[in-house]
Amino acid sequence: EPEVTQTPSHQVTQMGQEVILRCVPISNHLYFYWYRQILGQKVEFLVSFYNNEISEKSEIFDDQFSVERPDGSNFTLKIRSTKLEDSAMYFCASSDIYEQYFGPGTRLTVT
Amino acid sequence: SQQGEEDPQALSIQEGENATMNCSYKTSINNLQWYRQNSGRGLVHLILIRSNEREKHSGRLRVTLDTSKKSSSLLITASRAADTASYFCATDAGGFKTIFGAGTRLFVKA
Repeated sequence: EPEVTQTPSHQVTQMGQEVILRCVPISNHLYFYWYRQILGQKVEFLVSFYNNEISEKSEIFDDQFSVERPDGSNFTLKIRSTKLEDSAMYFCASSDIYEQYFGPGTRLTVT
Repeated sequence: SQQGEEDPQALSIQEGENATMNCSYKTSINNLQWYRQNSGRGLVHLILIRSNEREKHSGRLRVTLDTSKKSSSLLITASRAADTASYFCATDAGGFKTIFGAGTRLFVKA
């Protein structure tokens, strides 16, 4: 069964550093999403992406964040200058129309 | 309360019992989805119910939707220890934004 994959599974970085989180969506899906989940809290929507552009973004998704689909398979989330409060699980998802399939997540720890 | 609020926040039952979790939301929706998350893991899609549907079944899962009350329920029948997880409802109000609730933590005792 096709699945969404994410790398790395765990990323540790120092405050102020840039990180890139990578996702490989399901190949025939057209919609892509990033979410984050701070430990013990709800899953928060960050951004959706369709047709090579951002469709919608939340207030969390400020200028420190960017997304890109650099080739036909990868979908990346970049955080330019990480802050302690960026520590969270980051989930990528993809969908054809409605049902979103989630990846296993990347645990980002900012020290 | 926020869009997609579940109750109870936590639920502990014996194996074999039924578990019912509720979700309330505020705005009009196109569809509502339920997800499961095992501790420290990703989200697994369980079931989607569209705004024009009232009830949907999938195996041991039964979901209802009452758009007049802006609420949904997830029933897991004959629960198993493996059902222990957090359960989230997620609403899609149109566009490409999905809003998750805070979740219900279900613990099924063997």
